Amino acid sequence: GENVEQHPSTLSVQEGDSAVIKCTYSDSASNYFPWYKQELGKGPQLIIDIRSNVGEKKDQRIAVTLNKTAKHFSLHITETQPEDSAVYFCAARASGNTPLVFGKGTRLSVIA
Amino acid sequence: GAVVSQHPSWVICKSGTSVKIECRSLDFQATTMFWYRQFPKQSLMLMATSNEGSKATYEQGVEKDKFLINHASLTLSTLTVTSAHPEDSSFYICSAAGRTHTGELFFGEGSRLTVL
Repeated sequence: GENVEQHPSTLSVQEGDSAVIKCTYSDSASNYFPWYKQELGKGPQLIIDIRSNVGEKKDQRIAVTLNKTAKHFSLHITETQPEDSAVYFCAARASGNTPLVFGKGTRLSVIA
Repeated sequence: GAVVSQHPSWVICKSGTSVKIECRSLDFQATTMFWYRQFPKQSLMLMATSNEGSKATYEQGVEKDKFLINHASLTLSTLTVTSAHPEDSSFYICSAAGRTHTGELFFGEGSRLTVL
């Protein structure tokens, strides 16, 4: 089955700096790669996703890149703000009714 | 995005009692629902997959007789933790996929269960 590795487990950045979180996956059949932000006591919220037919996607300060050959994808947050502080999870799934497999999460702290 | 509502958001119960958690898709038909469990400072671990009208498929190590899942309609799935014990205390999160949502999963807000 799918295995998703995520690094780093914790990340501290100064406000205004960029943050990068990286994930690798094992199943070449996976074709959907979402990123979730989870705040304390709440469910995960989708912040951006990318499909295997696209190499990069951007939404304002957030971007995701995908390298299918190397089986890795990354989340980039630019101009970080204190409200970006949360736990971020990457995930992967193949098509159909397959579940998402999550990485272990990255706790991002943005220091004002 | 689509809305998934989960209830209750938190529950405290005594050891040995049963607790039911509901997951509803409010504005779409959820053909498949997934139940995850999350322990503090850990990732989401899949417990089971349920398709409307059929029996749930449980992940290895998850007791199907302890965690009863019912997906009787396209908008509602329930998870019942039977004879709960303190080690069942966790954050339970459902997610739903619809026919028209290719790839995307929509998550509920989660239910925090504390067993005393």
